[in-house]
Amino acid sequence: AQSVAQPEDQVNVAEGNPLTVKCTYSVSGNPYLFWYVQYPNRGLQFLLKYITGDNLVKGSYGFEAEFNKSQTSFHLKKPSALVSDSALYFCAVSRLMEYGNKLVFGAGTILRVKS
Amino acid sequence: DSGVTQTPKHLITATGQRVTLRCSPRSGDLSVYWYQQSLDQGLQFLIQYYNGEERAKGNILERFSAQQFPDLHSELNLSSLELGDSALYFCASSVGTGLYEQYFGPGTRLTVT
Repeated sequence: AQSVAQPEDQVNVAEGNPLTVKCTYSVSGNPYLFWYVQYPNRGLQFLLKYITGDNLVKGSYGFEAEFNKSQTSFHLKKPSALVSDSALYFCAVSRLMEYGNKLVFGAGTILRVKS
Repeated sequence: DSGVTQTPKHLITATGQRVTLRCSPRSGDLSVYWYQQSLDQGLQFLIQYYNGEERAKGNILERFSAQQFPDLHSELNLSSLELGDSALYFCASSVGTGLYEQYFGPGTRLTVT
């Protein structure tokens, strides 16, 4: 079965410092991985995805993610955190089904950036 | 703004009642997905439609049903509501079916009393 795990419920980082939000995956076959962000009382916003190709994926708002096959990880990173990055972050894997597909989400990680 | 619209934003209803949630996908998107977000279950996939046809089904309760209309908007019908159905219901859309990113609407918050 396809699944992702986000081992940290919450990550705290100071503004200006680099941030990492961790995600590990368990899939059979090729992993198709996504990161989404959810701000309070808002829907999820797509940040980036890995389908194939370069292990370093660049996304929206200065975020990037590193795909590591040997460690089965897809960590989200940003070189310099902003207070406005504080939100709930979800890692997800796309599961292809017979005629369609779905996203399987991790439990989410709360990111708090303090000034 | 993702371009996906959902109505209503909030819905408060009593147990045993039936409600309909509506979703309009982004212009040009043919796939619509429904997800349920709750504190205990997290984000769970319910069902996918592509160009009017059901394509994938998750752990959707028999009391729940959905459809996608010729103009591509979708409705999620929830009946015989229970307290445990209280949750945030998201609609998402994508260009096709497969590995495309999904764009999420703002959600409908359902409270069952």
